[in-house]
Amino acid sequence: DTGVSQNPRHKITKRGQNVTFRCDPISEHNRLYWYRQTLGQGPEFLTYFQNEAQLEKSRLLSDRFSAERPKGSFSTLEIQRTEQGDSAMYLCAITEGVNTEAFFGQGTRLTVV
Amino acid sequence: GQQLNQSPQSMFIQEGEDVSMNCTSSSIFNTWLWYKQDPGEGPVLLIALYKAGELTSNGRLTAQFGITRKDSFLNISASIPSDVGIYFCAGQRRGGADGLTFGKGTHLIIQP
Repeated sequence: DTGVSQNPRHKITKRGQNVTFRCDPISEHNRLYWYRQTLGQGPEFLTYFQNEAQLEKSRLLSDRFSAERPKGSFSTLEIQRTEQGDSAMYLCAITEGVNTEAFFGQGTRLTVV
Repeated sequence: GQQLNQSPQSMFIQEGEDVSMNCTSSSIFNTWLWYKQDPGEGPVLLIALYKAGELTSNGRLTAQFGITRKDSFLNISASIPSDVGIYFCAGQRRGGADGLTFGKGTHLIIQP
């Protein structure tokens, strides 16, 4: 148990639909990250929150993607008007304090058909 | 996006053999991490390295942070069936705001 819960574990959606994923750290961690992982690749950084503030966004995060962390605890990642290229595993990770050891959730596998 | 150069891409070994994999980068990292990922799951942290030249062990796993801060290796001794999976290296720059940069993974397969 890494202390990070992600829901849903799997999502199949039709192209053009909106989807939302949720990340719930079990305890409070001020740093939260979202990553995307496609088949045969390592995870790629999408965005970073320190508490409720979104401090960094990758150029991979197109304007169809939006992430929030309203109370500095759980976070959501929404994809609007999904495309087939959005099919991937979406991973949430947290770090404890100033350590850079990142602990990942189980991920949400998105399939866009 | 940028990814680290990780090799080999896959390894086919016999149970009991030692395994070695490495990761290189054209840029410097302040932290190197090694993860293992099983199918359909998130990566699980194996070892974290914080100082150039550091050698760290975790059971049968040993990892080193290269002196140039541009490379790292992971060794697994006396492999067992549960070692099967994909191993990823990841580098972290100072501050951590831009997240981890990962390699493409080494797929470890253990032949009976």
